[in-house]
Amino acid sequence: KNQVEQSPQSLIILEGKNCTLQCNYTVSPFSNLRWYKQDTGRGPVSLTIMTFSENTKSNGRYTATLDADTKQSSLHITASQLSDSASYICVVSAVNNNDMRFGAGTRLTVKP
Amino acid sequence: NAGVTQTPKFRVLKTGQSMTLLCAQDMNHEYMYWYRQDPGMGLRLIHYSVGEGTTAKGEVPDGYNVSRLKKQNFLLGLESAAPSQTSVYFCASSYTDQRTIRYFGPGTRLLVL
Repeated sequence: KNQVEQSPQSLIILEGKNCTLQCNYTVSPFSNLRWYKQDTGRGPVSLTIMTFSENTKSNGRYTATLDADTKQSSLHITASQLSDSASYICVVSAVNNNDMRFGAGTRLTVKP
Repeated sequence: NAGVTQTPKFRVLKTGQSMTLLCAQDMNHEYMYWYRQDPGMGLRLIHYSVGEGTTAKGEVPDGYNVSRLKKQNFLLGLESAAPSQTSVYFCASSYTDQRTIRYFGPGTRLLVL
């Protein structure tokens, strides 16, 4: 069973709308959580990183939240643009080694 | 400053053939990694290196070999390709461990027939 589960698997929204992507994890002990954006045919690029003590982190129109107690994170995209169409990958790292666990990603499509 | 580059971008192999994928970085990073990405699954670590001349196994190392003869290059080899190795391969680099990876290379799409 994957230690990082993302939902939904895919999402279609209209340009200008907001959306929220979810990430649940069981990785323990927790070190940090990253959200990556992966454009089609490209490698993932880091959007945000959060440690245990942080519960929110913004990068422009992207805002990530973290609830370490419930082991959940979300990525909120505000006023979506066509260029936001991509896969968004949640990655969680453990403290006691440099192991990283990748979620399968959420495929977001923004339509005009 | 090219960041992380990968060659080739795409390759088709027949079962049993061999090939080498090249990853190069110009950021003077100590750590380099090879991952594979398959549909419906998260990226999985194949091998990694913590410095020139060192290599270590990741989560799915079987069927692959690696070498880090120069700090800036990390090579991934398939000695006898199998259809199960059809995947997209990504390279990454970082100053310290995986937790500091900011971005990955553009990927190599490999099809094994």
